Amino acid sequence: GAVVSQHPSWVICKSGTSVKIECRSLDFQATTMFWYRQFPKQSLMLMATSNEGSKATYEQGVEKDKFLINHASLTLSTLTVTSAHPEDSSFYICSADSENSYEQYFGPGTRLTVT
Amino acid sequence: DQQVKQNSPSLSVQEGRISILNCDYTNSMFDYFLWYKKYPAEGPTFLISISSIKDKNEDGRFTVFLNKSAKHLSLHIVPSQPGDSAVYFCAASGGAAGNKLTFGGGTRVLVKP
Repeated sequence: GAVVSQHPSWVICKSGTSVKIECRSLDFQATTMFWYRQFPKQSLMLMATSNEGSKATYEQGVEKDKFLINHASLTLSTLTVTSAHPEDSSFYICSADSENSYEQYFGPGTRLTVT
Repeated sequence: DQQVKQNSPSLSVQEGRISILNCDYTNSMFDYFLWYKKYPAEGPTFLISISSIKDKNEDGRFTVFLNKSAKHLSLHIVPSQPGDSAVYFCAASGGAAGNKLTFGGGTRVLVKP
């Protein structure tokens, strides 16, 4: 089946630093990748849609200068949280579209803790 | 405006019995619906989906029913197993949103042995 990986699985960083999270589709090409954020006991909130070779489309209320998304290839998208603050602490999950189906395949998620 | 709603935040069921999870949506342009299962600190896992041209889809212990006129779908798990204890999200896509998924708030299922 389609597999999506994320790295790192968890990260702790100090306030003011930047953190990069990678999302890879391992066995398929993903023209579109999505980035979600989940707060404890809440639903997944879509942050942005990332298409290979073009600028990401951000959802309303998501700061594009703070959450930098780069979709450099058909198998890799990165999310960089710039100048992280404690309120950015969350569980970040990426997903990728499979060309052959409507399903999205999700990565295992990255737990970010900003101290 | 929540376009996809799961009105039951939690559900407790005895092992072997049926679990029924409900989901309502408001956007009539949605044409594809999916159910995901999620364990804490893990990404969601795809369970089953249904296109708006169907009213039922079955895969093993999981069956999804779609009532377009009522804008309602449900997931039936039978028989329920302790390993099914997780949070279940319904999601919808289609129309102007394209492949973007809009998620419901989730239902936490606890299957008691």
